[in-house]
Amino acid sequence: KAGVTQTPRYLIKTRGQQVTLSCSPISGHRSVSWYQQTPGQGLQFLFEYFSETQRNKGNFPGRFSGRQFSNSRSEMNVSTLELGDSALYLCASSLSGWTGQAGNEKLFFGSGTQLSVL
Amino acid sequence: AQSVTQLGSHVSVSEGALVLLRCNYSSSVPPYLFWYVQYPNQGLQLLLKYTSAATLVKGINGFEAEFKKSETSFHLTKPSAHMSDAAEYFCAVSAKGTSYGKLTFGQGTILTVHP
Repeated sequence: KAGVTQTPRYLIKTRGQQVTLSCSPISGHRSVSWYQQTPGQGLQFLFEYFSETQRNKGNFPGRFSGRQFSNSRSEMNVSTLELGDSALYLCASSLSGWTGQAGNEKLFFGSGTQLSVL
Repeated sequence: AQSVTQLGSHVSVSEGALVLLRCNYSSSVPPYLFWYVQYPNQGLQLLLKYTSAATLVKGINGFEAEFKKSETSFHLTKPSAHMSDAAEYFCAVSAKGTSYGKLTFGQGTILTVHP
């Protein structure tokens, strides 16, 4: 069974540009979450999607957005890039994402997309 | 809101020695707790999780953690360190009744294992 796939693996952009990152969850998984990882702020939750609906959102500005397609694949977009957006963006998937079923579920992470903003 | 504090950003041990990585949580109700490991240039891998069953949780690669409500702690241990354990470890929490996909992570602890 293939794992969580994130593309591209590396990206270099300049300030002011926009970027789209892609995440393909494990087959059958319907919940997709996104995290930003930086040396200074650590791992921070961006948002979570389930059945094409945003279920949770972290404390990030509106420049950060996402969506989920009917096949559960997800994309996140960052507009008007800033230097501080340089980070490793991680995607994670799980079957349903509800803690009520946490005993039977696991959150699987992709290897991430390393975004550098120059 | 819940939060997680990992004590010690760097821990160094000798091969064969005990590994102890500390994690304290803050939550109004007992949460779900997790330990993840991240190897260089990779995503996170779940080591173990506490979901209010047994307080002593055994995970992969010989790791275990004990949930202590009175101390609000969930420390990760391994009796004998191996060189392959060198990585960054994250403690995370999620609140019951909320989405499993939304985790709050600690700042991470980098484990170095010396021969």
